[in-house]
Amino acid sequence: AQTVTQSQPEMSVQEAETVTLSCTYDTSESDYYLFWYKQPPSRQMILVIRQEAYKQQNATENRFSVNFQKAAKSFSLKISDSQLGDAAMYFCAYRSADAGGTSYGKLTFGQGTILTVHP
Amino acid sequence: GAVVSQHPSRVICKSGTSVKIECRSLDFQATTMFWYRQFPKQSLMLMATSNEGSKATYEQGVEKDKFLINHASLTLSTLTVTSAHPEDSSFYICSARASLVYNSPLHFGNGTRLTVT
Repeated sequence: AQTVTQSQPEMSVQEAETVTLSCTYDTSESDYYLFWYKQPPSRQMILVIRQEAYKQQNATENRFSVNFQKAAKSFSLKISDSQLGDAAMYFCAYRSADAGGTSYGKLTFGQGTILTVHP
Repeated sequence: GAVVSQHPSRVICKSGTSVKIECRSLDFQATTMFWYRQFPKQSLMLMATSNEGSKATYEQGVEKDKFLINHASLTLSTLTVTSAHPEDSSFYICSARASLVYNSPLHFGNGTRLTVT
């Protein structure tokens, strides 16, 4: 079974500064997907960024980028120019790329990191 | 974009009663839906995988007789918490993926906050 670990329960950053959230995972699969989700106080799950394991290039989405180290099974999220609206709980998640089985598509989440942004 | 509607958003019920939560994919067909449970400031824990037209697959430790899942159509899955007790109070979130789109992303409902008194 796959596991996802986020070792930072809480992080804080000053507005306009950069912060990095850590995530490690364990899997025996070679093909999979990794995600970062944002959950604001509304509890809505918002997809921030997605990385395919077969791609060596790190994914970027505007101010959000990842550092994907496949050999080390590490997948960190960097938020640049932090904004007050970035304050939320962030979850790292894993999904198998294996299309077989009735649980195809299920996500395994890390414990989450609460990000506070100070003005 | 793809929308998943979850209803109700909040429900308060008395201990011993049953509560049904609906999860609908509004603009796509979803062969598979997932039900998660989340305690405050904690992670989302997968409870079960709901497959249209077949029995749900429950995660280890989840009581299938207590959390009844029905996925009778390609756009609707329901989770019924039977004989609810205060310890069942939690935030329940469903998610769905489009059936006919390879590697389609998961779309989440807005969740249901269940309080059992």
